[in-house]
Amino acid sequence: DIQMTQSPSSLSASVGDRVTITCRASQSISSYLNWYQQKPGKAPKLLIYAASSLQSGVPSRFSGSGSGTDFTLTISSLQPEDFATYYCQQSYSTSMYTFGQGTKLEIK
Amino acid sequence: EVQLVESGGGLVQPGGSLRLSCAASGFTFSSYWMSWVRQAPGKGLEWVANIKQDGSEKYYVDSVKGRFTISRDNAKNSLYLQMNSLRAEDTAVYYCARQLIIAVAGTPLNWFDPWGQGTLVTVSS
Repeated sequence: DIQMTQSPSSLSASVGDRVTITCRASQSISSYLNWYQQKPGKAPKLLIYAASSLQSGVPSRFSGSGSGTDFTLTISSLQPEDFATYYCQQSYSTSMYTFGQGTKLEIK
Repeated sequence: EVQLVESGGGLVQPGGSLRLSCAASGFTFSSYWMSWVRQAPGKGLEWVANIKQDGSEKYYVDSVKGRFTISRDNAKNSLYLQMNSLRAEDTAVYYCARQLIIAVAGTPLNWFDPWGQGTLVTVSS
């Protein structure tokens, strides 16, 4: 199975900060990498698909990059509504999808 | 509006069974792969199973193989998860999610969107 490792597991930041979350795959997954945002008690929401494509309706302050084994999610200027948990997910192995363990973004 | 609504969760004893349902609306259900993803309390996301548009292909995470069965009824725009021999570790919120698959230069990129609101399954005596 392809293992996905996110870092950091938690992060404290302030409104207006630039934040980067990293996701590493245990083997090359090309650009088969998606990012989701989840707020407490809510379903996950797609932010980025295919490593760097912004889902329709998602603010442009969110961006994704990377390929192969190393990927990043960047929020250019944190807004109050961005405090949530973020998950990466590989879709390279279509019979066994896996998620990272999550990164909880908290207000400093 | 694209919408997925899960139902069927509840409290069940270890070894028991439960059937989850997911009602889809706002899109052509029969045109999409569908998945179940679960989240144990306070934990991360775990993909559970998925099913092809016509039900001819199904895949499962190892921990549920032989116990869970995914199915669909395209005439009713509904997705199901039959869960048997339930264990305490199956306790989770279960989400259904539509899978979008787009071929770009021959590469079948895919992702989950949208997700339902989830239904809680608690396995406990």
